[in-house]
Amino acid sequence: EAGVAQSPRYKIIEKRQSVAFWCNPISGHATLYWYQQILGQGPKLLIQFQNNGVVDDSQLPKDRFSAERLKGVDSTLKIQPAKLEDSAVYLCASTQGPGGFYEQYFGPGTRLTVT
Amino acid sequence: DQQVKQNSPSLSVQEGRISILNCDYTNSMFDYFLWYKKYPAEGPTFLISISSIKDKNEDGRFTVFLNKSAKHLSLHIVPSQPGDSAVYFCAASASGTYKYIFGTGTRLKVLA
Repeated sequence: EAGVAQSPRYKIIEKRQSVAFWCNPISGHATLYWYQQILGQGPKLLIQFQNNGVVDDSQLPKDRFSAERLKGVDSTLKIQPAKLEDSAVYLCASTQGPGGFYEQYFGPGTRLTVT
Repeated sequence: DQQVKQNSPSLSVQEGRISILNCDYTNSMFDYFLWYKKYPAEGPTFLISISSIKDKNEDGRFTVFLNKSAKHLSLHIVPSQPGDSAVYFCAASASGTYKYIFGTGTRLKVLA
């Protein structure tokens, strides 16, 4: 079974530039999560999708971050414009269903450096 | 507001000995807890979980203990192996929500 795929693996941009990350979850997984992990901290949920609908985006900085999940499969997370404090690893995860009783499968992450 | 805390940022253990990683939580609504292991440049991988209706769950060398009254859980690894060297995150979730709240992680180093 293929795991969660993410690209790119690494990205370096200057502040005020835009960047987009892509995630392909495990086939059949209805729930998709985007996390931000700043160095030395645990993953922080940015947004959660159930199929192509948003379940929770309460911690997504909506003035600069956006995410979509078209057709309930792949997802993209965009930052526009980027700030220095956005430097982090962006993790995508998926589960079979919603709620906290499902094991999350994580992708390898995208390490973003904003200079 | 850090609802899930791992107060030890790092831990070193001799190979063959027991590793004990601790996690505390503040939200009494949490009823499902998970441990993840993370190697450098990889995403976290699921290790073991426990529901609040239990106080212990075992899977091979890994055992998770839950003390609901103390709002505390721990992960025991016996015997520890060099391949266990990684960052370990605990995470918690509450029924009716869809969120997993993660701790800050503990870096375990198992010395050969």
